[in-house]
Amino acid sequence: AQRVTQPEKLLSVFKGAPVELKCNYSYSGSPELFWYVQYSRQRLQLLLRHISRESIKGFTADLNKGETSFHLKKPFAQEEDSAMYYCALRYYGGATNKLIFGTGTLLAVQP
Amino acid sequence: EAGVVQSPRYKIIEKKQPVAFWCNPISGHNTLYWYLQNLGQGPELLIRYENEEAVDDSQLPKDRFSAERLKGVDSTLKIQPAELGDSAVYLCASSLNREYTGELFFGEGSRLTVL
Repeated sequence: AQRVTQPEKLLSVFKGAPVELKCNYSYSGSPELFWYVQYSRQRLQLLLRHISRESIKGFTADLNKGETSFHLKKPFAQEEDSAMYYCALRYYGGATNKLIFGTGTLLAVQP
Repeated sequence: EAGVVQSPRYKIIEKKQPVAFWCNPISGHNTLYWYLQNLGQGPELLIRYENEEAVDDSQLPKDRFSAERLKGVDSTLKIQPAELGDSAVYLCASSLNREYTGELFFGEGSRLTVL
C-alpha cells in the first residue's frame, strides 16, 4: 500500500547547523514526491517537488528510489526555517489522484 | 490575490449538531479538495472535485458527511450529525487542474471542536 513515513515528530537544531528531515515512502508506481511547509500561523504551502530538482530557501531534496527516500536537507539552518514540514506522495490510479501526506516533522531552530 | 478562502475559521458545537464549512478556491482553479487533518497527523483527502463533479469521494464517510460544489466554484462540506471524533481541522485546497495535483494551494482551514 502507498504510504509516507516521517520518523521524527520533532527535530531541534542550532542556527547554522545542518538539517536533514527524513521521509520514506512506499509506492509501487513511479513516485512523485513533494515537501510542504507550514510556518506558524500560516497556511500549508508547497516548498519543493522532486521533479523540479530545485533549491528553495536553501533546501534541497533528492529522490532515492533504491532507498525509497526523499529527505529534505539544508546545510545551514536559520531561525526562520522553524516550521512544520510534511512530505507528500502523489498517488494516482483509476479515479484516484491525490496527495498522501506523512505525519509531519516540526523543525525547531534554536538561536 | 486572496488565495483559497475558508469559513468559519473556528467552530465549536455540541455532538449531534450539524455543521457546515465553506470554501472559495482560487479563481480559475478547476480542481478542489477537502482534506481532514487530525491532531498530530498529516492531511487526509476526503473528496476531490473536478469542476462540479465529485470524482473521488472514496474517503468521505457518507453516512454523516456530504459535500457539494455548485457551478464548479465554491464548495460546502457538511457534517450531520457531528460526533466527538470529528474534532479536527478541515482544509480546503485547489489546483489548476488534475495534472497539477501535486501543487495544491491550501486555505487556512476550519477548526472544528465537538463537545
